[in-house]
Amino acid sequence: KAGVTQTPRYLIKTRGQQVTLSCSPISGHRSVSWYQQTPGQGLQFLFEYFSETQRNKGNFPGRFSGRQFSNSRSEMNVSTLELGDSALYLCASSLGQGLTNTEAFFGQGTRLTVV
Amino acid sequence: GEDVEQSLFLSVREGDSSVINCTYTDSSSTYLYWYKQEPGAGLQLLTYIFSNMDMKQDQRLTVLLNKKDKHLSLRIADTQTGDSAIYFCAELFSSNTGKLIFGQGTTLQVKP
Repeated sequence: KAGVTQTPRYLIKTRGQQVTLSCSPISGHRSVSWYQQTPGQGLQFLFEYFSETQRNKGNFPGRFSGRQFSNSRSEMNVSTLELGDSALYLCASSLGQGLTNTEAFFGQGTRLTVV
Repeated sequence: GEDVEQSLFLSVREGDSSVINCTYTDSSSTYLYWYKQEPGAGLQLLTYIFSNMDMKQDQRLTVLLNKKDKHLSLRIADTQTGDSAIYFCAELFSSNTGKLIFGQGTTLQVKP
């Protein structure tokens, strides 16, 4: 069974540009969550999608957005990049509902560097 | 509120036991987790415990939960150099969401 796949693994962008990151969850998983990891702030929740709907959102500015497709694949987009957006972006996949929603599996992450 | 606290660093000798501690504030937590992160990698789910359990053992890993004190610990028996990594404790916000609240991570250094 394939794990969570994030693409690309590494990205270098310039301030002011926008970027799109992709996450393919484990087959059968309907929930995809996104996290930002930085040395200063640690792991912070960005948002969660379940069945193509945003179910939860963290405290990030509107420049951060996402979506989920009917096959559960998810993308997140960051517009007008700032230097502080440099981070490891991690995606987690889980079944998504009720008492069966116990295990979240993470991808390898996308390392974004903004210069 | 949502807050998870961990000590930042632990150093042990190979073969010893390691105990990593975590405290959380949200008494409505349903599941609590331990993840491992090696350099340059994502998060690997090690184990988790349901909030109505006191203990869970899985090979070299033992999780203890004191719900009254909101204290969670991870014991690694016979610690190996390959266990050197950052360990994160996390709580599930609610079973109807995938939102996890993470601690800052504990760096475990295993000396040969």
